Amino acid sequence: EVQLVESGGGLVQPGGSLRLSCAASGFTFSSYWMSWVRQAPGKGLEWVANIKEDGSEKYYVDSVKGRFTISRDNAKNSLYLQMNSLRAEDTAVYYCARAWSGSTSPDIWGQGTMVTVSS
Amino acid sequence: DIQMTQSPSSLSASVGDRVTITCRASQGIRNDLGWYQQKPGKAPKRLIYAASSLQSGVPSRFSGSGSGTEFTLTISSLQPEDFATYYCLQHNSYPFTFGQGTKLEIK
Repeated sequence: EVQLVESGGGLVQPGGSLRLSCAASGFTFSSYWMSWVRQAPGKGLEWVANIKEDGSEKYYVDSVKGRFTISRDNAKNSLYLQMNSLRAEDTAVYYCARAWSGSTSPDIWGQGTMVTVSS
Repeated sequence: DIQMTQSPSSLSASVGDRVTITCRASQGIRNDLGWYQQKPGKAPKRLIYAASSLQSGVPSRFSGSGSGTEFTLTISSLQPEDFATYYCLQHNSYPFTFGQGTKLEIK
């Protein structure tokens, strides 16, 4: 079964850091682009970042550039999102998702992990 | 950035109704558009890819059309399980952008 499972969410103070993980199974992880998408409470979806199969290309939404870093470890079938200098507006459920290429829509999504930035 | 304007933002309909949701892109995106369904507390589920291709396993009452700047998602005969929020996503250029969502409610 194709599956993505996020972890690492929690409560963090403004200015703090958090690292999200996404464990992939049931498919050849190293053959897919991967994405992070977030959803603030009661709000719509926002694409956050993409990473190429081999990690050589990364793209970010402007609001997280310089603060968030997407990375992957194909040997561990894992995707990561390192989030630094967190702000209240980063509070959201964070989903990882896979895509066939850098120009296709994500087809499989994880269940999400909640990040709350609050003092 | 490409802006995706989705309408309506909410829609009240009955079982058996035909409904249409529209997304307009601020510039041409070819057919680089997907449609998603999201139920409360759940992850989004892709219904349509490449503007008009039906995702495997998705009922045929769902269809997508359009190219360039205007796109539609049509549900031909609403079923009780279709009441949810729907989003379009453009993946033509970075940053990818979603429409604001359409909440489909039972009349």
